[in-house]
Amino acid sequence: AQSVTQLDSHVSVSEGTPVLLRCNYSSSYSPSLFWYVQHPNKGLQLLLKYTSAATLVKGINGFEAEFKKSETSFHLTKPSAHMSDAAEYFCVVSDQKWGTTDSWGKLQFGAGTQVVVTP
Amino acid sequence: DTGVSQDPRHKITKRGQNVTFRCDPISEHNRLYWYRQTLGQGPEFLTYFQNEAQLEKSRLLSDRFSAERPKGSFSTLEIQRTEQGDSAMYLCATEGLNYGYTFGSGTRLTVV
Repeated sequence: AQSVTQLDSHVSVSEGTPVLLRCNYSSSYSPSLFWYVQHPNKGLQLLLKYTSAATLVKGINGFEAEFKKSETSFHLTKPSAHMSDAAEYFCVVSDQKWGTTDSWGKLQFGAGTQVVVTP
Repeated sequence: DTGVSQDPRHKITKRGQNVTFRCDPISEHNRLYWYRQTLGQGPEFLTYFQNEAQLEKSRLLSDRFSAERPKGSFSTLEIQRTEQGDSAMYLCATEGLNYGYTFGSGTRLTVV
């Protein structure tokens, strides 16, 4: 069975400082991994997706994530936080094996990390 | 509208009543998923359809829950004899070949 663990339930950062959201995954094969963001009263938005051999994945709004197979980690970072980054972030693993064009299949979400940005 | 549409956006019901939610997918997406998200948690998979066939159901989907997707178009999720523990956000997502997932905005159910 696949799973993801988000190591921090809450992260508080000052505007303009770096953001780091930590995620570890567990899978019997090399899975596809994602980060989603959910703003209050808004739908889930895909930030980025890892499905290839490139270990550094760039996403929208300046976010990027690094896949480290040896550490089974997929941490999300942003060099400089903006007030609009305040939201809930989810690390997600899917049934899809990376490098394939198969269906994503069902998604397994982490418990989420709430990001607070202070002025 | 090219997104995934869910109706209603909010539903308040008394315990023991039946409720039905609807999801209208992006027309060219043949896979449709239902997820449930409780407060402070990530969404959890409930069930999915490929066209009109329901291919997988989670253990979370008790006998009081039923989902349909007639003709492979819109889908409905019905909860019978609602309980307070059913209070959650119910999310629909659709997936088309090479398109990936698109989530709807969800239906928030409150059982009182």
